[in-house]
Amino acid sequence: SAVISQKPSRDICQRGTSLTIQCQVDSQVTMMFWYRQQPGQSLTLIATANQGSEATYESGFVIDKFPISRPNLTFSTLTVSNMSPEDSSIYLCSVEKGAGRGYEQYFGPGTRLTVT
Amino acid sequence: DQQVKQNSPSLSVQEGRISILNCDYTNSMFDYFLWYKKYPAEGPTFLISISSIKDKNEDGRFTVFLNKSAKHLSLHIVPSQPGDSAVYFCAASARSNFGNEKLTFGTGTRLTIIP
Repeated sequence: SAVISQKPSRDICQRGTSLTIQCQVDSQVTMMFWYRQQPGQSLTLIATANQGSEATYESGFVIDKFPISRPNLTFSTLTVSNMSPEDSSIYLCSVEKGAGRGYEQYFGPGTRLTVT
Repeated sequence: DQQVKQNSPSLSVQEGRISILNCDYTNSMFDYFLWYKKYPAEGPTFLISISSIKDKNEDGRFTVFLNKSAKHLSLHIVPSQPGDSAVYFCAASARSNFGNEKLTFGTGTRLTIIP
């Protein structure tokens, strides 16, 4: 398994500002993932962060809006830039553990962001 | 385009009875399916999974059934307990270009177990 912590757990931010969310894992992992869960919606993958390379973004998400860092095998950050109220969501990081089919992703507790 | 659908946003079940949560998918490339459970203020936690080569997987009180022809899966919890009250997410996976599991989630079903 994996124990994942996120900071901050929640924040209220003004539009136009940026927030950086930190994700720390208790063991080394190759891939980390960032998800967004908007109110009443499913979890949507924002990007995959592989240590030592640029993050890969899903359709609808761009690096300028959601820059990601992955400086080592246990840590990653996601920045939500130039925020608007539409960015109000829960942001979660996750990691994969294991190999082959049958492994699952472990999720952090999430960061609840409210943009006013 | 919602590729994984959970059409029941909420479900209430009496304690001790069976809870059945349903999930439908549209993408035939999905070959691995998972259920996650989420409590408030916590991240989702893995519950049970099933490969597309199987039609049933059981783990204690939890059983997942897969009907590939109908593109439908269900999670059965029996007997239901108050601690099962949570939001349940169905997720489907296809291998990404990087070889990792790329999960597509449903919108969740809030299960309430009535004592």
